[in-house]
Amino acid sequence: DTGVSQDPRHKITKRGQNVTFRCDPISEHNRLYWYRQTLGQGPEFLTYFQNEAQLEKSRLLSDRFSAERPKGSFSTLEIQRTEQGDSAMYLCASSSGSNGYTFGSGTRLTVV
Amino acid sequence: AQTVTQSQPEMSVQEAETVTLSCTYDTSESDYYLFWYKQPPSRQMILVIRQEAYKQQNATENRFSVNFQKAAKSFSLKISDSQLGDAAMYFCAYRWTGNQFYFGTGTSLTVIP
Repeated sequence: DTGVSQDPRHKITKRGQNVTFRCDPISEHNRLYWYRQTLGQGPEFLTYFQNEAQLEKSRLLSDRFSAERPKGSFSTLEIQRTEQGDSAMYLCASSSGSNGYTFGSGTRLTVV
Repeated sequence: AQTVTQSQPEMSVQEAETVTLSCTYDTSESDYYLFWYKQPPSRQMILVIRQEAYKQQNATENRFSVNFQKAAKSFSLKISDSQLGDAAMYFCAYRWTGNQFYFGTGTSLTVIP
């Protein structure tokens, strides 16, 4: 286990379609985070899990977004009825405490 | 509300020279953490350096050091002996005792050979 893995790396979808991304954190990390990064901006917090519990959700996470971490290991982020404004890099990160995150390489979503 | 401001969208430095990237933040908390992350073109964010607000001593990691001015809410990153591999987007980030990070908008660093 060498880091945080995200799949897919790139996703192109048509407006209105649903997409799902996966994140596999570092195995010993109990905390998992999803961030969204648009061009020229820093990452913005979406949601946070401690083990399988989703403890925080940003206002950015509209009803079309849902995240799960069913067994406290990998997580999925689903976007329903995608819109062009959803085009961004979706970053996953994990941590085990107050240290910095370890980020994945991200999933770049393009909605056409 | 916590905010992080990076006022330098772009910076450049000659190879082997020193460059300082600026960051200011706004918080009413007294205990928090500050970070600098590097994001190369491959897009994976990498932790460069971390500072706990309760520590007066500035953090250092090899060629990277910070100037942490708690009263001024300033947290600058100094890169000494700049190398071509330092070219990247650099993000300053703040974290309170909550779990989310607040990131600045980033500074794009170019290293000139």
